[in-house]
Amino acid sequence: GAGVSQSPRYKVTKRGQDVALRCDPISGHVSLYWYRQALGQGPEFLTYFNYEAQQDKSGLPNDRFSAERPEGSISTLTIQRTEQRDSAMYRCASSLLARGSYNEQFFGPGTRLTVL
Amino acid sequence: AQSVTQLGSHVSVSEGALVLLRCNYSSSVPPYLFWYVQYPNQGLQLLLKYTTGATLVKGINGFEAEFKKSETSFHLTKPSAHMSDAAEYFCAVSAPGSQGNLIFGKGTKLSVKP
Repeated sequence: GAGVSQSPRYKVTKRGQDVALRCDPISGHVSLYWYRQALGQGPEFLTYFNYEAQQDKSGLPNDRFSAERPEGSISTLTIQRTEQRDSAMYRCASSLLARGSYNEQFFGPGTRLTVL
Repeated sequence: AQSVTQLGSHVSVSEGALVLLRCNYSSSVPPYLFWYVQYPNQGLQLLLKYTTGATLVKGINGFEAEFKKSETSFHLTKPSAHMSDAAEYFCAVSAPGSQGNLIFGKGTKLSVKP
């Protein structure tokens, strides 16, 4: 079956532009997580959804970052007025069950964002 | 607050040699522990996890890890390295009863020499 997909795989944008990163989780997975991974670092948590409800956005760096999952499936992470420090790999993961810190998260291939 | 430390950003072994990747965590309560592997241009893939029960956990591709509470460690081992094991490995924790967001270490890149 299909895994988690993300698009685009690579995005180059100019400073000040808005970008939208898409995540398509595994069908039927309830939980969806966004992480950001800087070069040479491990992924860092950004935000989390159960179904369509955003349960935790404490990891979003500032109010330029937002995320939605309107129908409880596909999610979009939007970065407004991008800055060079936003350059990173953005990873999405989905998990079958709602809540449950022992559940396996299935990761997508990531979107590499470069802000010039 | 929880944190994860992976000793050694790069580890190089010869094919057939023992692989040992170190992971230590800091947590007020024993967390759930995970090892993920990342191959180039691919997403993170779960190797193994410890939640409860037996402290020696076996995973895919011949890897295993042992949870040692007294040492707050969860080191990853494989008796005999294969060329295909070359990848980046991430140790991660999550708090029991939490929403499940993972806290990752910085990763260890494993190279395997022929």
